Amino acid sequence: ETGVTQTPRHLVMGMTNKKSLKCEQHLGHNAMYWYKQSAKKPLELMFVYSLEERVENNSVPSRFSPECPNSSHLFLHLHTLQPEDSALYLCASSQEIGGGGDYEQYFGPGTRLTVT
Amino acid sequence: QKEVEQNSGPLSVPEGAIASLNCTYSDRVSQSFFWYRQYSGKSPELIMSIYSNGDKEDGRFTAQLNKASQYVSLLIRDSQPSDSATYLCAVHSGYSTLTFGKGTMLLVSP
Repeated sequence: ETGVTQTPRHLVMGMTNKKSLKCEQHLGHNAMYWYKQSAKKPLELMFVYSLEERVENNSVPSRFSPECPNSSHLFLHLHTLQPEDSALYLCASSQEIGGGGDYEQYFGPGTRLTVT
Repeated sequence: QKEVEQNSGPLSVPEGAIASLNCTYSDRVSQSFFWYRQYSGKSPELIMSIYSNGDKEDGRFTAQLNKASQYVSLLIRDSQPSDSATYLCAVHSGYSTLTFGKGTMLLVSP
């Protein structure tokens, strides 16, 4: 595997379900991100993990819960979602300045989430 | 609040022409600037990074940065129908985060 991978690629879930999105980066980066992209809206940053510590949480509802067990893996746990949460969820990674980074973010293919 | 502004378009150019995409940003301390290409239904793909004033060329793409005027642009020479996509401008001006513009849709007609 190369780059940033995400699974599943498509997910349909009911409002009472619990599911998790997985992201893995194979670039040796030390920062990982979750973004939400809704139709005809700009990218919304949800969570940032740098050196495995969460450094930003942009007022995201608690029904979204991130987990970063190590610098290569990132999860987004979902529970009791709403239909308006239907969107493309994107994971990205970058090398931050502490490790000679240049802030370039590389995105995974995304998970298309539909909440019914 | 940090802002990155782009014309939403669509910008329509004929095949073979030069497409010029522009972006302005509000945070004067911004140091790193990026252009991403996003095809419909796909994830953003990094195509150019620029950190210093002036031009940076990579194949058919040229990024231009003017920090004094707080704008960054992307020129695509010899535009091809396969260049039709939304182009996102992103600016790094804070710890671990990029601020993205809403993107400009480019349509290249054969």
